[in-house]
Amino acid sequence: DGGITQSPKYLFRKEGQNVTLSCEQNLNHDAMYWYRQDPGQGLRLIYYSQIVNDFQKGDIAEGYSVSREKKESFPLTVTSAQKNPTAFYLCASSIDAGDKDTQYFGPGTRLTVL
Amino acid sequence: AQKITQTQPGMFVQEKEAVTLDCTYDTSDPSYGLFWYKQPSSGEMIFLIYQGSYDQQNATEGRYSLNFQKARKSANLVISASQLGDSAMYFCAMREDMDSSYKLIFGSGTRLLVRP
Repeated sequence: DGGITQSPKYLFRKEGQNVTLSCEQNLNHDAMYWYRQDPGQGLRLIYYSQIVNDFQKGDIAEGYSVSREKKESFPLTVTSAQKNPTAFYLCASSIDAGDKDTQYFGPGTRLTVL
Repeated sequence: AQKITQTQPGMFVQEKEAVTLDCTYDTSDPSYGLFWYKQPSSGEMIFLIYQGSYDQQNATEGRYSLNFQKARKSANLVISASQLGDSAMYFCAMREDMDSSYKLIFGSGTRLLVRP
């Protein structure tokens, strides 16, 4: 079945550590996105990528890094520079086909800093 | 800047009844798109319905319909014949174009609880 997978589902990190969240899609979508969700709030954009080997910062990119070496994969690294990384992280992808293009989301990764 | 407002933090509805979830938006762009997503307790965001600003008719998808009132800048979601599985968070979102792509601007969500 086509879809977006994220791993791990839960992740615990000690302060000062970098961690990488995985996002893979087999929908053949060109665009991929990373959002962050804090309790009781909507989603905010961290990074996005339109094509392989190209990505741009979103609204809250500080303390995060990404790569897009393959069309199917868009991993997110939460670095030690991110001051408050505990949150729910959602990856999305879209085919980028005009005004009615829709973003589809993965199941998310819940990151907790101990 | 574009903004989405959802004023109902929580809603109750009796099973099999209809419910309306409110969403108002603010934008100066003449062309825009509005989305509704459902987020069950598992966390995944599930796309429900889309409305384009130039669409002549209100969008419908099965039991979901969008009451789009452009002059009032509102895009309320109507769920007919509520089911227990409809209990979830519901988010209204607006498309905001960026240089080479677009992002979604989300409201704060409404938690819907369907009572048996």
